[in-house]
Amino acid sequence: DGGITQSPKYLFRKEGQNVTLSCEQNLNHDAMYWYRQDPGQGLRLIYYSQIVNDFQKGDIAEGYSVSREKKESFPLTVTSAQKNPTAFYLCASSVPGQVNTGELFFGEGSRLTVL
Amino acid sequence: AQSVAQPEDQVNVAEGNPLTVKCTYSVSGNPYLFWYVQYPNRGLQFLLKYITGDNLVKGSYGFEAEFNKSQTSFHLKKPSALVSDSALYFCAVRSFYNQGGKLIFGQGTELSVKP
Repeated sequence: DGGITQSPKYLFRKEGQNVTLSCEQNLNHDAMYWYRQDPGQGLRLIYYSQIVNDFQKGDIAEGYSVSREKKESFPLTVTSAQKNPTAFYLCASSVPGQVNTGELFFGEGSRLTVL
Repeated sequence: AQSVAQPEDQVNVAEGNPLTVKCTYSVSGNPYLFWYVQYPNRGLQFLLKYITGDNLVKGSYGFEAEFNKSQTSFHLKKPSALVSDSALYFCAVRSFYNQGGKLIFGQGTELSVKP
């Protein structure tokens, strides 16, 4: 079945370590997104990419980095520069040809806890 | 600037009663409006969207939403709530003029349906 796969589901890291969250989609979607979710704050956009080899910062990009070398993959690295990385991270993609309507398909999320 | 407000952090409803989850928005130009649902430790699932046309939009699981341009609202409704409807609900908006496909999310409303 087509969908978005995020891994790992749960991740524990020590302060100062970089971690990379994986996001893979087989929906043939052009656009992909990373959101951060914190209790009571909704979803905040970290980075997004509308096409391979191109990406833009969202509202809270500081301390994060991404790459888009393949259409199917959009990994997110949480660097040691991110001051409060403990959160639930959600990857999403847009339906091809309907990107202007903005409907997103989401993965199941990755919960990062920094000890 | 685009924004979405969900004025209630939590809504409590008895099973079988109608439910309403409120959403108001602010965008430049015509809005694209969305409702998503999230179950604990899961990704977001699309419920319904308003792009244009009929102000009453029907979506998944018996949910519907009414677009009211004069009140800049897009409230989610269901005639008869189920215990299984208990979840976190997000309203989101995108402006017609925002070609980046980015959605702005509200902070979420926790719906609790009691037997």
